[in-house]
Amino acid sequence: GAVVSQHPSWVICKSGTSVKIECRSLDFQATTMFWYRQFPKQSLMLMATSNEGSKATYEQGVEKDKFLINHASLTLSTLTVTSAHPEDSSFYICSASSRGSGSLNEQFFGPGTRLTVL
Amino acid sequence: DAKTTQPTSMDCAEGRAANLPCNHSTISGNEYVYWYRQIHSQGPQYIIHGLKNNETNEMASLIITEDRKSSTLILPHATLRDTAVYYCIVRVRGSQGNLIFGKGTKLSVKP
Repeated sequence: GAVVSQHPSWVICKSGTSVKIECRSLDFQATTMFWYRQFPKQSLMLMATSNEGSKATYEQGVEKDKFLINHASLTLSTLTVTSAHPEDSSFYICSASSRGSGSLNEQFFGPGTRLTVL
Repeated sequence: DAKTTQPTSMDCAEGRAANLPCNHSTISGNEYVYWYRQIHSQGPQYIIHGLKNNETNEMASLIITEDRKSSTLILPHATLRDTAVYYCIVRVRGSQGNLIFGKGTKLSVKP
């Protein structure tokens, strides 16, 4: 199956700093990547959708200036949490899908990044 | 995408079959049933999907009722490592949209 990686797997930062999380599709080209956030004991909630080479589409209530998403290549998307605060502490998960006759836009998930803001 | 309903939690004895139900009474003709699971502190893992026929792979079997309004995921011989939250999702295959996760079923496999 297709593999999606995330880096780092966990990060601890001070309040007010920025943190960048990378999502990579290792063996396929991802035309679309999704960023989810998951708080303890809750389900995954979509934050934004990014298509390669275009601006991300954010879900209602997600601040686009705080959560910067870049999808500059077909194998890499980044999520930058700017001026992080303790309430941003969460589990961030990306998924990737490709457009093609063989893939039918199936989604493959990364292992997640645990962010803790002190 | 159609809405799904799953029990909040289930227990299963190690080595026994785990049968996880899902109701999707508003499913439409072109929507597939997908199952994912999420082991604690990991990303979701694809398990299986089907349209109307029963499906089986190395991980599980999927039984879909004839009217397609419900389905059951079967883990034939549950192990402790199968303890996870299992999500039943209905969507059009090939859709470019995101997956919508409900609350899922927390399966606890006990020794």
